[in-house]
Amino acid sequence: DGGITQSPKYLFRKEGQNVTLSCEQNLNHDAMYWYRQDPGQGLRLIYYSQIVNDFQKGDIAEGYSVSREKKESFPLTVTSAQKNPTAFYLCASSIHSGAHTIYFGEGSWLTVV
Amino acid sequence: DAKTTQPPSMDCAEGRAANLPCNHSTISGNEYVYWYRQIHSQGPQYIIHGLKNNETNEMASLIITEDRKSSTLILPHATLRDTAVYYCIVRVVTTDSWGKLQFGAGTQVVVTP
Repeated sequence: DGGITQSPKYLFRKEGQNVTLSCEQNLNHDAMYWYRQDPGQGLRLIYYSQIVNDFQKGDIAEGYSVSREKKESFPLTVTSAQKNPTAFYLCASSIHSGAHTIYFGEGSWLTVV
Repeated sequence: DAKTTQPPSMDCAEGRAANLPCNHSTISGNEYVYWYRQIHSQGPQYIIHGLKNNETNEMASLIITEDRKSSTLILPHATLRDTAVYYCIVRVVTTDSWGKLQFGAGTQVVVTP
């Protein structure tokens, strides 16, 4: 089935460590996105990519990095520079960045211990 | 993009219609209204969108006022599985607008037996 796969679903990280969240889509979508959601809050954009080998910072990019080497993959690295990384992370994609519909993965929970 | 205002929460009896209001008084002529919902700890799910006319699909109906300053999402026969946070979003369709978009806090809908 077509869709967006995020892994892992749950991840624990020690302070000072980098961690990478995986996002893969088989929808042949050009655009991909990473959002962060804190408990009881809405979504905030971290990074987005309109096409392979291109990406743009969102509103809260500090402490995060991404790459877009393949159309189907958009991994997010949460670096040690991110001061409060514990959150729910959502990856999304759309057929192109002007599309009406954006599709989301099931999310990844990151907890810093 | 125009901002939206939604009530923080509402309850609905199972089998009854749920009417979710959204205020977007500063909406511009080229901005669409979108509705998404998010079940706890899952990724958001697209429901419906519209520009001026009322819209209906298998999930819901969208009623947009003539002046476009507000809209109502109608779930015709609410079920327990409709319990979720519902987001109302307004957005102009450009190539980078999903990338710049922020989801607000939404309306927590609880459907009770």
